[in-house]
Amino acid sequence: DQQVKQNSPSLSVQEGRISILNCDYTNSMFDYFLWYKKYPAEGPTFLISISSIKDKNEDGRFTVFLNKSAKHLSLHIVPSQPGDSAVYFCAALTQGAQKLVFGQGTRLTINP
Amino acid sequence: KAGVTQTPRYLIKTRGQQVTLSCSPISGHRSVSWYQQTPGQGLQFLFEYFSETQRNKGNFPGRFSGRQFSNSRSEMNVSTLELGDSALYLCASSPGTGIMNTEAFFGQGTRLTVV
Repeated sequence: DQQVKQNSPSLSVQEGRISILNCDYTNSMFDYFLWYKKYPAEGPTFLISISSIKDKNEDGRFTVFLNKSAKHLSLHIVPSQPGDSAVYFCAALTQGAQKLVFGQGTRLTINP
Repeated sequence: KAGVTQTPRYLIKTRGQQVTLSCSPISGHRSVSWYQQTPGQGLQFLFEYFSETQRNKGNFPGRFSGRQFSNSRSEMNVSTLELGDSALYLCASSPGTGIMNTEAFFGQGTRLTVV
């Protein structure tokens, strides 16, 4: 039972353009959504999060959008840079539960 | 401030053996969570310890166990290893109270290969 899904295993974007990574979820009890970035041989690094009571959160080049009615969130990176090439994981949690439910990840490649 | 330290980084074991992995959280953090990452299943939650008590548990067989010591360091143990246990095991450290959305820090992981 995959409660958090990232349907695109990979995405290729040209440097300077916008990268859009998508994530869908099924559990309406999730309170927070997070995006992590992972390089090979390293642990995931927190990028940005959003509470379920908001529909947008922005931090520099990163913006996360949440559509609760569609149970869908997306991460926008603009402009995309070569250092953004990594695997991006969407994750969700329920308040009070110290347990992250991760998507399968999307490998983002930024081409020069 | 030192980050999350996992040891060893790499491990090769034979089917049927048992293995113990270690995680030292960030100083002051009382919660340690363990995750398994495999190509087919992604990142899956194993369990979480807080103040030496298991507070949350994922859907893994009883061969997977863990514990936490008074200094918050944690170990996870896998007994009777199977080929399918080959994975990257990640430890996450957080204060353990309040919302962990920006407070979970991951270690580099232990790459376990079962042959």
